[in-house]
Amino acid sequence: GENVEQHPSTLSVQEGDSAVIKCTYSDSASNYFPWYKQELGKRPQLIIDIRSNVGEKKDQRIAVTLNKTAKHFSLHITETQPEDSAVYFCAASSPDRGSTLGRLYFGRGTQLTVWP
Amino acid sequence: EAQVTQNPRYLITVTGKKLTVTCSQNMNHEYMSWYRQDPGLGLRQIYYSMNVEVTDKGDVPEGYKVSRKEKRNFPLILESPSPNQTSLYFCASSLSFNQPQHFGDGTRLSIL
Repeated sequence: GENVEQHPSTLSVQEGDSAVIKCTYSDSASNYFPWYKQELGKRPQLIIDIRSNVGEKKDQRIAVTLNKTAKHFSLHITETQPEDSAVYFCAASSPDRGSTLGRLYFGRGTQLTVWP
Repeated sequence: EAQVTQNPRYLITVTGKKLTVTCSQNMNHEYMSWYRQDPGLGLRQIYYSMNVEVTDKGDVPEGYKVSRKEKRNFPLILESPSPNQTSLYFCASSLSFNQPQHFGDGTRLSIL
């Protein structure tokens, strides 16, 4: 099945700096790549996603880039703020393979801390 | 309000006492999943379901059962809970496996 690796596991930045989290995936058939943010004690919530027919997507201070050839995608947060502090998860969806149904695979998460 | 509802939110129980965590969604979603979250291990999928009566194992299915008799409900069953199943559990639903997932608020299980 799909294998998603996420780096770094922890990231500390100063308020106003940029933060970048990177993920790699193994299944070239994966076609959907969401990012989730989980604040302390809360549920994960989708912040941005990208599909395999697009190379980049932006939403205000966050952006995601996808390199299908290299099989990696990244989350970019600009002008970070203390409220960006959270755990961020990347994921990749792998389609139905006959013996297994289509499903979503998550990376292990990145704890982002933004210092004021 | 569109939501995924899990019950109970917290449970402390003892080894071997069967328990069920319920999950219900009101968005008419086809796809539902159960995850467990442990420190340093991220979100690991236990079971998932593409539709009624269609389920499959995720990465850590041992010791768990699920059923999908109705589209809106996807209960997680621990027939004989053990301490290594102490964890934070999330249910999620979406239109399909490659669509945004909506998570419930989580269930914190402690098995003594």
